[in-house]
Amino acid sequence: GQQLNQSPQSMFIQEGEDVSMNCTSSSIFNTWLWYKQDPGEGPVLLIALYKAGELTSNGRLTAQFGITRKDSFLNISASIPSDVGIYFCAGQVSNFGNEKLTFGTGTRLTIIP
Amino acid sequence: NAGVTQTPKFRVLKTGQSMTLLCAQDMNHEYMYWYRQDPGMGLRLIHYSVGEGTTAKGEVPDGYNVSRLKKQNFLLGLESAAPSQTSVYFCASSKTNEAFFGQGTRLTVV
Repeated sequence: GQQLNQSPQSMFIQEGEDVSMNCTSSSIFNTWLWYKQDPGEGPVLLIALYKAGELTSNGRLTAQFGITRKDSFLNISASIPSDVGIYFCAGQVSNFGNEKLTFGTGTRLTIIP
Repeated sequence: NAGVTQTPKFRVLKTGQSMTLLCAQDMNHEYMYWYRQDPGMGLRLIHYSVGEGTTAKGEVPDGYNVSRLKKQNFLLGLESAAPSQTSVYFCASSKTNEAFFGQGTRLTVV
C-alpha cells in the first residue's frame, strides 16, 4: 500500500519559534490534507491542498503542495502554547471523497517553557 | 449540530468478548470511515462506506465487521476481541475529501 513518511517524528521548541514539518510519499497524491490532534481528541482539519504547487495559509499556518505531488510541507510561525499536539499529513489519490485517506505517522510538537 | 459522535468513549473487554462501537453523524455525509490509532502508527483505515447500505475493507479489516444500515450511522463490530485490538478507534465522515473526526473510543482488551 501507499506509504507516507512524516518528519520529524517529534519537535521540542520554545514559544515564539517557527516550526517546519514535511510529508513524503512513495507515489503521487492529488490531494494533501493537514490535521492537528489535541490530547484525547480526534484530528481536526487545518489545511487542504488540491493543486501541485499550491501554497495555502490559515492564520499562522502555511502549507504547500509539492510540485512533484509526492510531498507536502507545513509551517507554523511564531508558535504559541496551544500549538502543542500531533500534526498529521494525509494524502488522497483522487479529488473525490470516496477514496480513502492515507495518513502519515504524525509529528508531535512540544513547546518548552 | 453535533458533527461526528462516537459511543462509548471508553471500554474494557475481556479476550473473546464482542462489542459494537457506534458512530453517528448529523452532516448528511455520504462517506464514513473507521480508523484505529496506535502509538507510532498514525491512523490506519479499518473499513469504510461510500453510502447507505455499502461497506468496503480498508487497510486493516481483519477481526472487524461493519454495517451502514442508515446514512447517519456506521457501526464497527468486534466479534471476538483480542489483545491486539487494544487501540483508540476513530470514526470519520466526509462529503468530499475533508474528513471530520469523532472524539474517539479507547478500547482495552485484557
